[in-house]
Amino acid sequence: GNSVTQMEGPVTLSEEAFLTINCTYTATGYPSLFWYVQYPGEGLQLLLKATKADDKGSNKGFEATYRKETTSFHLEKGSVQVSDSAVYFCALSIRSNDYKLSFGAGTTVTVRA
Amino acid sequence: EPEVTQTPSHQVTQMGQEVILRCVPISNHLYFYWYRQILGQKVEFLVSFYNNEISEKSEIFDDQFSVERPDGSNFTLKIRSTKLEDSAMYFCASSARTRIPQHFGDGTRLSIL
Repeated sequence: GNSVTQMEGPVTLSEEAFLTINCTYTATGYPSLFWYVQYPGEGLQLLLKATKADDKGSNKGFEATYRKETTSFHLEKGSVQVSDSAVYFCALSIRSNDYKLSFGAGTTVTVRA
Repeated sequence: EPEVTQTPSHQVTQMGQEVILRCVPISNHLYFYWYRQILGQKVEFLVSFYNNEISEKSEIFDDQFSVERPDGSNFTLKIRSTKLEDSAMYFCASSARTRIPQHFGDGTRLSIL
């Protein structure tokens, strides 16, 4: 089946630190990959996506590269801010599965000033 | 930017009662979804809906659940006789013809007493 395994948290960082959240996936076929973010008290917002191998998604200083050879889609940001404190979800969808999203468990990130 | 809106933000209901969760998807979207997240667990797919029909549903989506698009704008999830284990955050999502990405609402927190 299709599944996503995500680095467990919580992760606590200082402002301006480098953030990496690991995500690997299992899929039968060629999925599209996503990072969603949930800020405190809010819903799920699409942060970035990549639809094919070697694509790099980027938004708000975050980046993730679709690595087919390692079945990974790790999220990175070079210098985090307090406002980046949130829960981050890695997810995949695939045509053969009617595009329904399969989510990782979520990683809680707290950035301290 | 267009948004998916969900009401209410929090619903408290006695066990055995019926509950209806409401969603207004993005206006030109064609595909609609419900997901849920039990506290501390992954976001799980419940059902997808297209062209006034369920296109796919998960094992969770049993006979107690139903979905409806009663008019051109609303998309509802009904739970006929709620159980304690239905307590969760319920997210509505919609997508355009391209199917990806899915855009989410802020969720409805359902508490069953």
